[in-house]
Amino acid sequence: DAGVIQSPRHEVTEMGQEVTLRCKPISGHNSLFWYRQTMMRGLELLIYFNNNVPIDDSGMPEDRFSAKMPNASFSTLKIQPSEPRDSAVYFCASTLISGTATSYEQYFGPGTRLTVT
Amino acid sequence: AQRVTQPEKLLSVFKGAPVELKCNYSYSGSPELFWYVQYSRQRLQLLLRHISRESIKGFTADLNKGETSFHLKKPFAQEEDSAMYYCALRMDSSYKLIFGSGTRLLVRP
Repeated sequence: DAGVIQSPRHEVTEMGQEVTLRCKPISGHNSLFWYRQTMMRGLELLIYFNNNVPIDDSGMPEDRFSAKMPNASFSTLKIQPSEPRDSAVYFCASTLISGTATSYEQYFGPGTRLTVT
Repeated sequence: AQRVTQPEKLLSVFKGAPVELKCNYSYSGSPELFWYVQYSRQRLQLLLRHISRESIKGFTADLNKGETSFHLKKPFAQEEDSAMYYCALRMDSSYKLIFGSGTRLLVRP
């Protein structure tokens, strides 16, 4: 298994442009998490899904951010319009939540480094 | 509100010295604590969890509910331990993890 796959790995865009980040979770995992990593704030949870349903989006900064999970093998995080303060590394992670067998270990993707100029 | 605090942004030690990365949390319920590590150019990965009570790569961490701490320790640091370390908390009613701001460990030769 290639693990969690994210694309693109690097994205440079101009302020005001729309940015779409993509994530493919590990096959068989039913929960997916989007994080943002910055030097100042560390790793922040933006949103997470369980069985493709958004469970907690309280970490989404504002309406410019949106996330979808149309099926069990794909999720997107969209920023529209982008701003320089959105520059960060965005991580996707997945895990299997399955009753008492749940380990809660999250498997992280390589991240997408976003730069908004 | 629930929070994880890692007071040190950078911890620099010499090879062979003991190392302790501090982690404190605020949560009144039954927490589950984790340490994640991110080596240079690698993915963030689980290092250890308190319920396993195991030693991984020489690291140990004990959950102290009285002091609400979960400090990561290693008696003799190695250069390959240089990495970013994150402490994380899972509340007993949730799937999500709350991460601290991270501590960069630099082990000098």
